[in-house]
Amino acid sequence: KQEVTQIPAALSVPEGENLVLNCSFTDSAIYNLQWFRQDPGKGLTSLLLIQSSQREQTSGRLNASLDKSSGRSTLYIAASQPGDSATYLCATRGAGGTSYGKLTFGQGTILTVHP
Amino acid sequence: NAGVTQTPKFRVLKTGQSMTLLCAQDMNHEYMYWYRQDPGMGLRLIHYSVGEGTTAKGEVPDGYNVSRLKKQNFLLGLESAAPSQTSVYFCASRYYPEGAGELFFGEGSRLTVL
Repeated sequence: KQEVTQIPAALSVPEGENLVLNCSFTDSAIYNLQWFRQDPGKGLTSLLLIQSSQREQTSGRLNASLDKSSGRSTLYIAASQPGDSATYLCATRGAGGTSYGKLTFGQGTILTVHP
Repeated sequence: NAGVTQTPKFRVLKTGQSMTLLCAQDMNHEYMYWYRQDPGMGLRLIHYSVGEGTTAKGEVPDGYNVSRLKKQNFLLGLESAAPSQTSVYFCASRYYPEGAGELFFGEGSRLTVL
């Protein structure tokens, strides 16, 4: 059974700092890995989707990497802003025949960027 | 585009009452999912559907039923609500059956069972 772990559970940084959020998973047989952002009381917004054959994806100040063999992904946020404050979740999609695209989520990292 | 819409957004039930959560998507997605999110437990899959007329159990299906009579709608039912079902429920949908395919989420439905 896939297990996804995110470290740290919470992170507080000053505005402007570059930061890295970590995600690890136990089963490397994945189709893809997706990073989400969740604001308090809101749904999940997809940030980046990395296919299993890819090493990284970039969108604006965000860069996500994937190392399937070691079961790790990182989300790099450059020049953080107070508006980046949210919970960040990673989720893997299993490659098993009966997975039907089910995602396994980590518990998230709560990010606070203070001015 | 509305994307994925959930109704209602908030609901309070008494133990034993029944209710239905509606998820509607306007993206012609084949796959739809119901998750629940609880503090310290993360998001867990309740049921999912791979197409109109099909449903399947996820990780935590007990106490819930689902139906997918129309491709755009996925209903989650609680026949006899219990306090343990107090949670935030999220619906999600996806287009591609395999490989690539971003998951799109609704805004959530907060359910409290007294």
